[in-house]
Amino acid sequence: DSGVTQTPKHLITATGQRVTLRCSPRSGDLSVYWYQQSLDQGLQFLIQYYNGEERAKGNILERFSAQQFPDLHSELNLSSLELGDSALYFCASSGGLAGVGETQYFGPGTRLLVL
Amino acid sequence: DQQVKQNSPSLSVQEGRISILNCDYTNSMFDYFLWYKKYPAEGPTFLISISSIKDKNEDGRFTVFLNKSAKHLSLHIVPSQPGDSAVYFCAASDSGANSKLTFGKGITLSVRP
Repeated sequence: DSGVTQTPKHLITATGQRVTLRCSPRSGDLSVYWYQQSLDQGLQFLIQYYNGEERAKGNILERFSAQQFPDLHSELNLSSLELGDSALYFCASSGGLAGVGETQYFGPGTRLLVL
Repeated sequence: DQQVKQNSPSLSVQEGRISILNCDYTNSMFDYFLWYKKYPAEGPTFLISISSIKDKNEDGRFTVFLNKSAKHLSLHIVPSQPGDSAVYFCAASDSGANSKLTFGKGITLSVRP
């Protein structure tokens, strides 16, 4: 158990809908990262938050947004969903902002299926 | 453009033998490298890491070797056990930019009893 929790585990929804994925980092970790794993792709970095502020952006679509709350949990909002958004979404956390030796610990993921 | 490449999609090894998983990278700014193991329906689990100031890091049955001039790293598992059967991801980060990880596509390791 990595100490990172994600809810829900599974989500089935229809095209055009909006969903929210939730992540609680390991106790004491300030950074939260979101990754997407599609069938034919490896893990793709979406976005990072550090202590409530956006720190880095990757290949995140404009239809997607995220935030980190004062209690350090994070939510990833996916809107106007398309079939191609079906994927595994992972959250990871680490202790600090950046620096050599930053190991990220992953949650179990949310499997999103868009029908 | 894939900056981290795991060119072999799968590897099959006999129990007790050595498993060698390879990874190549193209971004010379990467200075921290990690290996993660992933079982189906679970998140990636951190295995071992190495910073660019080292060329070897060992943790029990797992050893990671880094060859910076060749931009190549490898994970050695000795001896391999059936419980090691999983997908192994190589990841890298450039701490000077931010701490996002760039992942390879993974290698499926099967350890035969």
